[in-house]
Amino acid sequence: GAGVSQSPSNKVTEKGKDVELRCDPISGHTALYWYRQSLGQGLEFLIYFQGNSAPDKSGLPSDRFSAERTGGSVSTLTIQRTQQEDSAVYLCASRSGLAGTLDEQYFGPGTRLTVT
Amino acid sequence: AQSVTQLGSHVSVSEGALVLLRCNYSSSVPPYLFWYVQYPNQGLQLLLKYTTGATLVKGINGFEAEFKKSETSFHLTKPSAHMSDAAEYFCAVRLNDYKLSFGAGTTVTVRA
Repeated sequence: GAGVSQSPSNKVTEKGKDVELRCDPISGHTALYWYRQSLGQGLEFLIYFQGNSAPDKSGLPSDRFSAERTGGSVSTLTIQRTQQEDSAVYLCASRSGLAGTLDEQYFGPGTRLTVT
Repeated sequence: AQSVTQLGSHVSVSEGALVLLRCNYSSSVPPYLFWYVQYPNQGLQLLLKYTTGATLVKGINGFEAEFKKSETSFHLTKPSAHMSDAAEYFCAVRLNDYKLSFGAGTTVTVRA
């Protein structure tokens, strides 16, 4: 596709359930990011992938959160035993990974997660 | 550590009026600064950036920002607001060669 896509666009789940959020980056982009956007909190960095490895996962809030990336492409963010405070918009972004392209992050439209 | 603070979570302007969104930074090194815009139900897109050189930076859609070291500011302006400028705006600072830190965002409402 032409841009970063995310699925589902909306997810409503019950407290305690596990959810998986998917990100399809722009083809050829080696760098991939997950962010969380909560009301009034701005964008919170969660994890950064370079290829299939995650050199920076310092933003994952707890061990209930995990992410993986396969084939240097699709990434999945998994939240186990969801809590109401996990309700937020989860944004994915990708960039080419070349030096000097830090600002050229291309964002997906996000997945709005609601935990009831 | 570098960070940015956006002053004002909501700004309401009349169509045709000046848009001014405030961002102050904290950095121990010369900062790289960015403004992003997020339209409803969309991801963020880059409006403009300051790295080095000219302190007045022009971006897309008629926006510009001025880097003022003495004031540690990087405020975003547009002389005349348009209805299509209604969106959320984020200021960001470079933390390292792969990571940005974003402000809390300012939502702009444009009144007809």
